[in-house]
Formats: sequence, structure tokens, C-alpha cells
Amino acid sequence: QVQLQESGPGLVKSSGTLSLTCGVSGDSISSSNWWSWVRQPPGKGLEWIAEIHHSGSSNYNPSLKSRLTISVDKSKNQFSLKVTSVTAADTAVYYCAKKTMVGIFDYWGQGTLVTVSS
Amino acid sequence: DIQMTQSPSSLSASEGDRVTITCRASQSINNCLNWYQQKPGKAPKVLIYSASSLQSGVPSRFSGSGSGTDFTLTISSLQPEDSATYYCQQCYSTPAFGQGTKVEI
Repeated sequence: QVQLQESGPGLVKSSGTLSLTCGVSGDSISSSNWWSWVRQPPGKGLEWIAEIHHSGSSNYNPSLKSRLTISVDKSKNQFSLKVTSVTAADTAVYYCAKKTMVGIFDYWGQGTLVTVSS
Repeated sequence: DIQMTQSPSSLSASEGDRVTITCRASQSINNCLNWYQQKPGKAPKVLIYSASSLQSGVPSRFSGSGSGTDFTLTISSLQPEDSATYYCQQCYSTPAFGQGTKVEI
């Protein structure tokens, strides 16, 4: 059974950097899947943020691209996200998810709430 | 970028009703469209993939149809446990979700 678990600070100061890590178990980060981040502001809908393949290929949401970095650590079977210059608009539940080769988000982490404070 | 538009944004129906949610893509996405159910405080769960294929373990009252730009999720007989928010997601290019449809019973 594939399991994903997000970790990182729950509170980040405005203009700072948000850093999250997703640990993967039950599957190899080097498998033929994409590893993604999706966020959900309180009371709002889902927003895809970024994805990475173990080969190093990555894709970013164009509206956020300039502030995002996604990376993979094969030795630890995990992947990470950094969001720079955060504002209150970045306050959200951040989910990591596994996306299959045909584009289905079939496994998700439980989500972690990140609050940006002034 | 491909934009996804769902309608309605919310609906209220009775147990046993047939419910239909619509999702429209800003350009053709063939059949690369998935549907998810999300309950409060939980991660989304895939219901339908490739527009019309039922994910393993999902009740058969859920069905999907469509291709190109227009897609539909149907719940044939609404059950109390179907109270949730439903999202479409295109997989034709970099992922994008619809804005969601909240279903109340």
C-alpha cells in the first residue's frame, strides 16, 4: 500500500520561504510516476502546484513558477517543495500526491496546513 | 494553459435523486478527464478516470461520460454518504482542477 506523508513547519512568516517534504513508502520514487504537490486554501478548491519525475523533469503551475522549486531525493525516497516570498495567499493545506503515467492522482498524503503570518 | 469550468458550484438534492455535474475544458482534452470526491478534512479520492472508467472499489452509482471539451459526472441514486465536494481534473497537459461542486443532501 502506497503511503505519502507531508512534513514541515505549520507557520511561516510573510516574505519568508515555505519548505515541505513528502516521504513516500510502498513505492519507489524512481518508479514511472510523477510526484506532485497540490494545495487548498481554507474553504476553497484544489490548486495543482508542481510535479517532478525521478529523471529530474519537472513542471510548475505558471502562476506560481517564479517562486517554486521542486526536488527529489532518491536516497531518502522523498520529494520536496520550496515556495519563496510567501504571503497570506499562500496559506493552505498542502497535499503531496502520486500521479500515474496516465495522469491520475491515485494516492495522496493526509495534507498539512501551512499558515503564513505577518 | 487549459482551464476547467464546473457547474453548478453547489447543489442540494434528496436521497435517491439522480445528480449530474458538468465540467467543461477550455480546449479539447480528448478523454483525459478524472473525477474526484473530497469530504471535509480529507484528501480527494479518485472516482472516475479517463472520463468514463470507474476506479476500483467505487460504487457503480457513479458514472462519467464525455469527450473533447464537455464531460459529466452522474450519481444515479444519491446516498447520504455522497455528501461531498466533487472536482474534475484534466490530464491532457499539466494538471488543472475545476473549481468544485458541493453536493448537499
